[in-house]
Amino acid sequence: GENVEQHPSTLSVQEGDSAVIKCTYSDSASNYFPWYKQELGKRPQLIIDIRSNVGEKKDQRIAVTLNKTAKHFSLHITETQPEDSAVYFCAASSSGSNDYKLSFGAGTTVTVRA
Amino acid sequence: NAGVTQTPKFQVLKTGQSMTLQCAQDMNHNSMYWYRQDPGMGLRLIYYSASEGTTDKGEVPNGYNVSRLNKREFSLRLESAAPSQTSVYFCASSERGPAGGYTFGSGTRLTVV
Repeated sequence: GENVEQHPSTLSVQEGDSAVIKCTYSDSASNYFPWYKQELGKRPQLIIDIRSNVGEKKDQRIAVTLNKTAKHFSLHITETQPEDSAVYFCAASSSGSNDYKLSFGAGTTVTVRA
Repeated sequence: NAGVTQTPKFQVLKTGQSMTLQCAQDMNHNSMYWYRQDPGMGLRLIYYSASEGTTDKGEVPNGYNVSRLNKREFSLRLESAAPSQTSVYFCASSERGPAGGYTFGSGTRLTVV
């Protein structure tokens, strides 16, 4: 099955700086890569996703890049704010007709220092 | 629009007791999932149901059973709870498979003593 590794496990940044989280995956058939944000005590929520036919996707201060050859993808948060403090999870799936499940990374705890 | 509703929110069990976690979605989604979340281990899939009438094992199915009661409801049962099953359990649903993202429930914090 798919194995997703995520680094770093914790990340502390100064408010206004950028944060980058990196993930690698093992299954070359994977073609769907979402990112979830989980605030303390809350449920995970989808913040951005990318499919394998796209190399980069942006939504305001967040962006995701994908390198299918190297089997890695990254989340970039620019101009970080205190409300960006949360646990972030990457995930991967083949999203094919026979694979309905996401495999998640272990998570990155991001702390934005005021 | 409630989305995904899980009950209960908190539960304490004694070792060997049984219980069922309930999950219901009102988005007419086809696929439903049960994950457990442990510190430093992310979200691990227990069981999933790609569509009504089907269920499949995930990464960590031992000690659990599931029932896809109808299109809306997907329950998780612990027949004989063990301390290793202390965790936060999340139910999720999606329209069909993972593409487009999951909608998660608010979670059940289960402690087995």
